[in-house]
Amino acid sequence: EVQLVQSGAEVKKPGESLKISCKASGYTFSSNWIGWVRQMPGKGLEWMGIIFPADSDTKYSPAFQGQVILSVDTSTNTAFLQWTSLKASDSAMYYCARRIAVAGWFDHWGRGTLVTVSS
Amino acid sequence: QSVLTQPPSASGTPGQRVTISCSGSGSNIGRNALNWYQQLPGTAPKLLIYRSNQRPSGVPDRFSGSKSGTSASLAISGLQSEDEADYYCAAWDDSLNSVVFGGGTKLTVL
Repeated sequence: EVQLVQSGAEVKKPGESLKISCKASGYTFSSNWIGWVRQMPGKGLEWMGIIFPADSDTKYSPAFQGQVILSVDTSTNTAFLQWTSLKASDSAMYYCARRIAVAGWFDHWGRGTLVTVSS
Repeated sequence: QSVLTQPPSASGTPGQRVTISCSGSGSNIGRNALNWYQQLPGTAPKLLIYRSNQRPSGVPDRFSGSKSGTSASLAISGLQSEDEADYYCAAWDDSLNSVVFGGGTKLTVL
């Protein structure tokens, strides 16, 4: 059974750094893209980027390029989403999801990590 | 403003058939797989329809999808109260090199 288990909720201050995780199981981690999707409170889904674990090939949404960093650790089957300097506007729910091909679809989703950035 | 256009809301009574539209362009819906996601209140999105009209295992056949040119539709027949959710269409956009989502449609079961 494919599972994506995301790390727990975070409360941070503006300017702090953060790395959240998404641990995959139940399939060959290196063989499928992993993506990240943001959902701000009461709003819709926004695609942030995808990464291919086998070679760390990464595609970012123009809206998030330079704002976040996607990475993976194939030894632990874990994908990461990282910020170096958080802003209050980064407060949102973040979902990881397995993607079937670049031009495909997200077939399995994590439960989400809630990030709150507040002074 | 989303690249894919959906109505913000839809509604129906139990047992009815409702449809939700999704409009895009030749660089997204016109060329690539069009997919639908269901997000029940307080939960993560779930894949509902992929490649316009394919259902993952476990998705009831009350849900169906279609695509024509640069537009797509999601139909829900025999509407049930548990179908009350937000529905999003999405596709890869070759021009933007991005996954694009519709703004979402909130379905209310009256």
